[in-house]
Amino acid sequence: DAGVTQSPTHLIKTRGQQVTLRCSPKSGHDTVSWYQQALGQGPQFIFQYYEEEERQRGNFPDRFSGHQFPNYSSELNVNALLLGDSALYLCASSFASQPGNEKLFFGSGTQLSVL
Amino acid sequence: AQTVTQSQPEMSVQEAETVTLSCTYDTSESDYYLFWYKQPPSRQMILVIRQEAYKQQNATENRFSVNFQKAAKSFSLKISDSQLGDAAMYFCAYKGRYGNKLVFGAGTILRVKS
Repeated sequence: DAGVTQSPTHLIKTRGQQVTLRCSPKSGHDTVSWYQQALGQGPQFIFQYYEEEERQRGNFPDRFSGHQFPNYSSELNVNALLLGDSALYLCASSFASQPGNEKLFFGSGTQLSVL
Repeated sequence: AQTVTQSQPEMSVQEAETVTLSCTYDTSESDYYLFWYKQPPSRQMILVIRQEAYKQQNATENRFSVNFQKAAKSFSLKISDSQLGDAAMYFCAYKGRYGNKLVFGAGTILRVKS
């Protein structure tokens, strides 16, 4: 049973460019959350997708957008990249029918470097 | 807004000894969940232990146990019989019962000496 898979594992971009990160949830999971983890810090919640809609959003600008597909996989898009967007981006999946007690499964992340 | 504070940036423990990692949090909610996650160099977050706020009994998972003090808003992790494989970054995290996001602390690096 495959866990949460993310691609690519590493990515280097230039300021002003756009980037798309991808996530496939654990089998049987229908909810995907994205987190940004800056170097030496804890992850910060970006947003969560369920039933192909953004269910909740953290304190991130509109340059960060996402999408969830009918097969529950998800993409995170970041436009107009800034140096400060350099971070590890983690995807986590869960099963929505366990409200309040969701057990999140995390992927290994995509390391984004903005030069 | 909820906040999670880990005041120990780094801890060291001798193999087979016991170590305690500290965590405090702030919330106005009465029903929530608290977690400890381990992040090894592979970067994948691994759930170590989970505590439900309405349960007074402290959670235990093999060598891992917590000391949950709801009134003090404190949630420490005790690792007994430390092993080399326990070396990692440990994050304390909070989630409201009906919320959708985890709020993480800044993390504690745990080093295990042989």
